Amino acid sequence: GAVVSQHPSWVICKSGTSVKIECRSLDFQATTMFWYRQFPKQSLMLMATSNEGSKATYEQGVEKDKFLINHASLTLSTLTVTSAHPEDSSFYICSAPGLSEQYFGPGTRLTVT
Amino acid sequence: AQSVAQPEDQVNVAEGNPLTVKCTYSVSGNPYLFWYVQYPNRGLQFLLKYITGDNLVKGSYGFEAEFNKSQTSFHLKKPSALVSDSALYFCAVRDIERSQGNLIFGKGTKLSVKP
Repeated sequence: GAVVSQHPSWVICKSGTSVKIECRSLDFQATTMFWYRQFPKQSLMLMATSNEGSKATYEQGVEKDKFLINHASLTLSTLTVTSAHPEDSSFYICSAPGLSEQYFGPGTRLTVT
Repeated sequence: AQSVAQPEDQVNVAEGNPLTVKCTYSVSGNPYLFWYVQYPNRGLQFLLKYITGDNLVKGSYGFEAEFNKSQTSFHLKKPSALVSDSALYFCAVRDIERSQGNLIFGKGTKLSVKP
């Protein structure tokens, strides 16, 4: 099946710094990628849809200036958490849609101290 | 609005016994339904999907799910549980009200299989 990778798998950063998370489709091209956020023991919530060559679409309540998304190529989307705060600590998961299912990355655990 | 409900936060099963993880959905048209499993600090792994056709869908690792249109349910089942099946299970429906194809997830059910 199709493979989606994420890097880094975990990151610890200080409050006020920015963190970039990469999502790559390894063996297929993805014009669209989704970014989800998962709090402990909770479900995945869609944050934004990343579109290759155009602006991302953000879900209601998600700050676009805080969560910068760039989809510069057909195999790479990045999520940058700017001026991170402890409340941004979470598990971030990306996915790319296939013909009939979505392929998920392994996730990135972000801890902001 | 479309939604997915998983009524149980946790399901406890003895190894070797059958297991069922419940899921009901609410969509405005024909649903595209999915089950995913998540192990600690890992991404989601696809188990199975229902798009159309036979109501009984067979998936990975011996899991199956039955689509029931009249009850709007898509319960996940396995005839004989293994300790290694212990994980977090998510039911999801494709968001058909939007063209981008994202999934709407249930809150998840923690499955615990004891030896």
